[in-house]
Amino acid sequence: GAGVSQSPSNKVTEKGKDVELRCDPISGHTALYWYRQRLGQGLEFLIYFQGNSAPDKSGLPSDRFSAERTGESVSTLTIQRTQQEDSAVYLCASSLRQGTGNTIYFGEGSWLTVV
Amino acid sequence: DAKTTQPPSMDCAEGRAANLPCNHSTISGNEYVYWYRQIHSQGPQYIIHGLKNNETNEMASLIITEDRKSSTLILPHATLRDTAVYYCIVRPHSGNTPLVFGKGTRLSVIA
Repeated sequence: GAGVSQSPSNKVTEKGKDVELRCDPISGHTALYWYRQRLGQGLEFLIYFQGNSAPDKSGLPSDRFSAERTGESVSTLTIQRTQQEDSAVYLCASSLRQGTGNTIYFGEGSWLTVV
Repeated sequence: DAKTTQPPSMDCAEGRAANLPCNHSTISGNEYVYWYRQIHSQGPQYIIHGLKNNETNEMASLIITEDRKSSTLILPHATLRDTAVYYCIVRPHSGNTPLVFGKGTRLSVIA
């Protein structure tokens, strides 16, 4: 597709359940990022994939959060045993690997509500 | 932590130029200045970026001071649809370093 695609766009889940959020980056983009934004708050970096290198997981808030990416394609963010404080919009972004000034493009996010 | 300082909010009359300032006094020589905006309930949208020269595209102009310690994003003719939170971000010149977002400036365009 033309842009970063995320699914589902909205998800309501019960506390304690696991959820998976999917991101399709822009075709050809080698870098992929996940961010979280709680209601009324700023964007928090979660994790970053660059090609086949080990991902930068420095922003993951707890071991309940994990993400995978196969090659340079789709990524899945998994939240285990969801808690109410996990309610947020989860934003995925991608960028093209080139020498300088790599612009990052965002999807529209997956809105997660934990009840 | 974000390396930029922006006013928390600004108002602008519709049709007027909106000038959004940003301070980045600790910017490194290899860091670009990026601007993004986030309209309510949407993902951040890329606007423009620059290193040291002024830049212009179809959305906005970016004016960077000679010492690179501050910059101004200019929306030449603001419309109601430009109401959003605007983020100024500094980021290394090369590679794919993640963007670090601060609190941005909430711009309200008023009819």
